[in-house]
Amino acid sequence: QKEVEQDPGPLSVPEGAIVSLNCTYSNSAFQYFMWYRQYSRKGPELLMYTYSSGNKEDGRFTAQVDKSSKYISLFIRDSQPSDSATYLCAMSVQAAGNKLTFGGGTRVLVKP
Amino acid sequence: NAGVMQNPRHLVRRRGQEARLRCSPMKGHSHVYWYRQLPEEGLKFMVYLQKENIIDESGMPKERFSAEFPKEGPSILRIQQVVRGDSAAYFCASSLRTDSSGNTIYFGEGSWLTVV
Repeated sequence: QKEVEQDPGPLSVPEGAIVSLNCTYSNSAFQYFMWYRQYSRKGPELLMYTYSSGNKEDGRFTAQVDKSSKYISLFIRDSQPSDSATYLCAMSVQAAGNKLTFGGGTRVLVKP
Repeated sequence: NAGVMQNPRHLVRRRGQEARLRCSPMKGHSHVYWYRQLPEEGLKFMVYLQKENIIDESGMPKERFSAEFPKEGPSILRIQQVVRGDSAAYFCASSLRTDSSGNTIYFGEGSWLTVV
């Protein structure tokens, strides 16, 4: 069993819809949670960074962490075709070292 | 964007040859990380370096792979005697510090290695 599970998709939504992404994990020691966006043949781009449980909002993006359920989510409001990409969740135990454990990524397609 | 710079972006090597991938971290960053992304898989941690020191190499294959981050110049990921299974995207990342306030790492565009 992988430490971090993420549905590979693809997830297809119409433009303007809410995109809902999630990851589950097994290591209860994870404390730092991130979401990255990766376009084809490009490097991952940091979208959201959260420490411990709770919600964080940044523009159209909302990240949620539920450590009790070992479940994290990312919501994208008012989705645009430019949001079509692969979204990767990542997490780490300690801030020091930044050794991230990634999910496999979810492909998202926003149709105009 | 004076971000993390990687070169070459694309590299083709025959089986048995050596591959050298270079990474210059973001300005002011002294922590460098290498990750590998195999086809249809997520990124896997390989190694974490600071200047002249390997801090964590727990994700590095035991043989043929090595990494360095010298006092001067870029970080180098070296793969000796490449095999087809080494074909992957190799991403370098850097961070300013590793305490909680700076726990964000930034990735480069990657180096795509193809072994033929």
